[in-house]
Amino acid sequence: GAVVSQHPSWVICKSGTSVKIECRSLDFQATTMFWYRQFPKQSLMLMATSNEGSKATYEQGVEKDKFLINHASLTLSTLTVTSAHPEDSSFYICSARDSLAGGRLSYNEQFFGPGTRLTVL
Amino acid sequence: GESVGLHLPTLSVQEGDNSIINCAYSNSASDYFIWYKQESGKGPQFIIDIRSNMDKRQGQRVTVLLNKTVKHLSLQIAATQPGDSAVYFCAESWNNNDMRFGAGTRLTVKP
Repeated sequence: GAVVSQHPSWVICKSGTSVKIECRSLDFQATTMFWYRQFPKQSLMLMATSNEGSKATYEQGVEKDKFLINHASLTLSTLTVTSAHPEDSSFYICSARDSLAGGRLSYNEQFFGPGTRLTVL
Repeated sequence: GESVGLHLPTLSVQEGDNSIINCAYSNSASDYFIWYKQESGKGPQFIIDIRSNMDKRQGQRVTVLLNKTVKHLSLQIAATQPGDSAVYFCAESWNNNDMRFGAGTRLTVKP
């Protein structure tokens, strides 16, 4: 259980185009999903917290108009990189938290997706 | 500001030896800690977690130790195998929502 998928697993696009990345919780409901970005040989950096039915919360320094997040259902969050540029090339990883795990002692157990490699030419 | 860091960026061990990966955290409000393993091109994989009301937790071949006095976390891997080669991240969590990852340690297991 607790499987999170991402699609696509990798994408190459031209500069100036927009790219949508999907994050799905396959066997559980997730009111909260998280989007991370990871550059080569670096750690994961939280970009935003995606809340089902409400606006995402962005970390300081992350442009909300450039990284559009939509969490329209309990199993799907999407990240759209708008007007992508080569500096947006990175590994994007999502995670999801089980909505029904509130009673468990694992306060903030997140299940991670396999990541999406974005390359902007 | 608050941060999570690692003492060793790289660790090389011989197959069969035990590995110890360390992590320092500074957010005194953190109450939940997790170790993740990340292989090249993949997402982080949960290894083991520990809550702040514990100082030790054991899993299969892995043990996590938490020292709240000095804000230190460690991951011990027994009988390290080639398949354990990966980057290991510690993460601290607080407020039941916030999480921050450490810089990561690359573990290389030599046959």
